[in-house]
Amino acid sequence: AQSVTQLDSQVPVFEEAPVELRCNYSSSVSVYLFWYVQYPNQGLQLLLKYLSGSTLVESINGFEAEFNKSQTSFHLRKPSVHISDTAEYFCAASNNAGNMLTFGGGTRLMVKP
Amino acid sequence: DAGVIQSPRHEVTEMGQEVTLRCKPISGHNSLFWYRQTMMRGLELLIYFNNNVPIDDSGMPEDRFSAKMPNASFSTLKIQPSEPRDSAVYFCASSTWTSGRQYEQYFGPGTRLTVT
Repeated sequence: AQSVTQLDSQVPVFEEAPVELRCNYSSSVSVYLFWYVQYPNQGLQLLLKYLSGSTLVESINGFEAEFNKSQTSFHLRKPSVHISDTAEYFCAASNNAGNMLTFGGGTRLMVKP
Repeated sequence: DAGVIQSPRHEVTEMGQEVTLRCKPISGHNSLFWYRQTMMRGLELLIYFNNNVPIDDSGMPEDRFSAKMPNASFSTLKIQPSEPRDSAVYFCASSTWTSGRQYEQYFGPGTRLTVT
């Protein structure tokens, strides 16, 4: 069965500092990877996805993630965070076995002024 | 596009009462998912449907929970009888599914359920 591990439950960081949110997955077959963001009292929104092709994927608000097959990782990075990036971030994986996603436990990013 | 619509947004009920949560997926999507989110257990998949057919309900906690999808544009999640430990935020998500392709899921705003 697919499993997704987010190693950090909380990541505090100062505004304009770089950040990395870690995600590792377990899979022996093709895998599709996603990052979702959840702002307070809202649903999850897709941030970026890796389905195939280039291993580096980017979002419109400056986040990027790199698919690393050898390390089974899909870490999320941003070179300079804003207060508005404060949210919970979920990594998810699928092997297309019926369209199910397996979510990690989430990482709460807290950006401080 | 209206996105995934859930109702009600908030529900407060007493233990033992029946609760029905509703979801309207994005038009054209043929997969629908029900999740539950709590502080203790995080985000859990309860059940999902492809083309209105339940595919995996192994996440449904117990027989008190049931879900239906009578047509492509409507689904319900029912809890009867409700218990305080059912208090959580329940999310509905929809997606497109075709064999061999993976598409992202779009989430609704959630229903915050409080059982007293």
